[in-house]
Amino acid sequence: EDKVVQSPLSLVVHEGDTVTLNCSYEVTNFRSLLWYKQEKKAPTFLFMLTSSGIEKKSGRLSSILDKKELFSILNITATQTGDSAVYLCAGGYSGNTPLVFGKGTRLSVIA
Amino acid sequence: DTEVTQTPKHLVMGMTNKKSLKCEQHMGHRAMYWYKQKAKKPPELMFVYSYEKLSINESVPSRFSPECPNSSLLNLHLHALQPEDSALYLCASSHGTVNSDTQYFGPGTRLTVL
Repeated sequence: EDKVVQSPLSLVVHEGDTVTLNCSYEVTNFRSLLWYKQEKKAPTFLFMLTSSGIEKKSGRLSSILDKKELFSILNITATQTGDSAVYLCAGGYSGNTPLVFGKGTRLSVIA
Repeated sequence: DTEVTQTPKHLVMGMTNKKSLKCEQHMGHRAMYWYKQKAKKPPELMFVYSYEKLSINESVPSRFSPECPNSSLLNLHLHALQPEDSALYLCASSHGTVNSDTQYFGPGTRLTVL
């Protein structure tokens, strides 16, 4: 069973829409949750979340972690075509365990 | 400086060739990673080096051989690859040990095996 599950797997929206991407994770040894954006090349870091209920914000992007319900959301407001990408969620776990990536959400923003 | 560099950007090789991928970071990070990513899939972890020692090998075939000459450099030596090894190979680094630190990715090497 996957440790990190993202939904939806793909999404098409129009410019100006607000989108919410979801990521649920397995709790055992959980330490942090990270969001990355991947366009054509390598993933670029967006947010790292360790505390529940504290929103992290960067421009039109924001993210929050709910450690009771074991999920995180990534919000993008006023979407632009440049937001089109795959958004990856990754769980960080304690012990000698590297990041566990979800399958990603492919977001397409159309003009 | 949050940059991880990788060379070459593109590589085409035959199944009998020997080639190497290189990765470099100057952020003082002590953990470095190799990932393989196929189209429309998330990155798959291959190897992790922690303090220049191989700490994780995710059952990768021996035709892939990692090397960490020093704390800033990570190589991936390739020999006798198969066409199904064609993929984007990503290097990443993180500050401390492997558990949950933010990983910064290089731009990747797009490998094609003929």
